[in-house]
Amino acid sequence: EPEVTQTPSHQVTQMGQEVILRCVPISNHLYFYWYRQILGQKVEFLVSFYNNEISEKSEIFDDQFSVERPDGSNFTLKIRSTKLEDSAMYFCASSPTGRVGELFFGEGSRLTVL
Amino acid sequence: KQEVTQIPAALSVPEGENLVLNCSFTDSAIYNLQWFRQDPGKGLTSLLLIQSSQREQTSGRLNASLDKSSGRSTLYIAASQPGDSATYLCAAAFGNQFYFGTGTSLTVIP
Repeated sequence: EPEVTQTPSHQVTQMGQEVILRCVPISNHLYFYWYRQILGQKVEFLVSFYNNEISEKSEIFDDQFSVERPDGSNFTLKIRSTKLEDSAMYFCASSPTGRVGELFFGEGSRLTVL
Repeated sequence: KQEVTQIPAALSVPEGENLVLNCSFTDSAIYNLQWFRQDPGKGLTSLLLIQSSQREQTSGRLNASLDKSSGRSTLYIAASQPGDSATYLCAAAFGNQFYFGTGTSLTVIP
């Protein structure tokens, strides 16, 4: 069964460093998302991406964040100059048809900022 | 801002019992509602998706309903099993975003 895959599963970084989280969405899906979940808190929307551009972003998704689809399969989230409060589980999701379609999530990338 | 809430926050039941998890949302202009299961430290597994034009969906022992006018969805789990122990999340789609509830942590006691 097709699935969303994410790498790395866990990354530890020093405050101020840049990290790139990678995702391979399901191949025939058109809409891609990043969410994050701080330990013990809600899953929060970061950004949605369609047709090679951001379609919507939350107030969390400030200038330190960026997303890219560098080729036909990967979807990346870059966090520049990480802060302690960026420590969270980051989930990638994809959907075949956007807001009326089913969301499929990856297993997540746990980011720990020291 | 859209709000999605889930009650109860935690639920513990003996094996075999039927149970209902609740999800409420603030806006009736919902596109769809999706229920997920999350095991500790893991990703979100989709359980059921209800489109705004539907009132319920069923999969095995699970049945989810949607009442847009009252801003509610319920997830009914029949004949609960210890393997059902997990956190259950609902997510409501408004615009291009899915808004998540805080989840209900379910423990099924053997």
